[in-house]
Amino acid sequence: DTGVSQNPRHKITKRGQNVTFRCDPISEHNRLYWYRQTLGQGPEFLTYFQNEAQLEKSRLLSDRFSAERPKGSFSTLEIQRTEQGDSAMYLCASSSNWLAGGPGELFFGEGSRLTVL
Amino acid sequence: QQPVQSPQAVILREGEDAVINCSSSKALYSVHWYRQKHGEAPVFLMILLKGGEQKGHEKISASFNEKKQQSSLYLTASQLSYSGTYFCGTERVRGGADGLTFGKGTHLIIQP
Repeated sequence: DTGVSQNPRHKITKRGQNVTFRCDPISEHNRLYWYRQTLGQGPEFLTYFQNEAQLEKSRLLSDRFSAERPKGSFSTLEIQRTEQGDSAMYLCASSSNWLAGGPGELFFGEGSRLTVL
Repeated sequence: QQPVQSPQAVILREGEDAVINCSSSKALYSVHWYRQKHGEAPVFLMILLKGGEQKGHEKISASFNEKKQQSSLYLTASQLSYSGTYFCGTERVRGGADGLTFGKGTHLIIQP
């Protein structure tokens, strides 16, 4: 088990550019979450997948953000027309299915840090 | 709604005890505790479920008062490795699709 893997770990981009982050969850986990964390704050929920289905999306997420999880494996988070306010750490987490008796424990990746100039 | 954590920061000497609190204004199904060291991912510590079931760390304990929607994390005989930021995450519905709502965190510094 290699844990949750995210890349790139760091991304510096100019305002207006598009960026994409990738998350590879623990292989047997069917739940995948994206969170955003800024300095001094706790992780903030962005979106959630169960297998390949995107079941929930935060109301705080603008239309510039899109996420996919083709075939229920890895996931991508794309931010279009980046703004300086998008600068943050983007965390991916996976877990087993709670309803099937899973522990509900989230396994976080080390995150992708985005800096928008 | 974001849970409220207190205190915001704690500085202890090695071997001292600490209590970190987490409260919510809404009814909760579960409370989760995570620790994050600087530059690292949050790491799971503990889950407390409505009804009293717990799962977690062998050296850290916690309580969940369902009537008050409050949870407390107890760190006894603290070690240098306990330093970090502690987050509580709350779940209002079992297996809720919006995952956990995290508090702003409590910074714990353990000095030798």
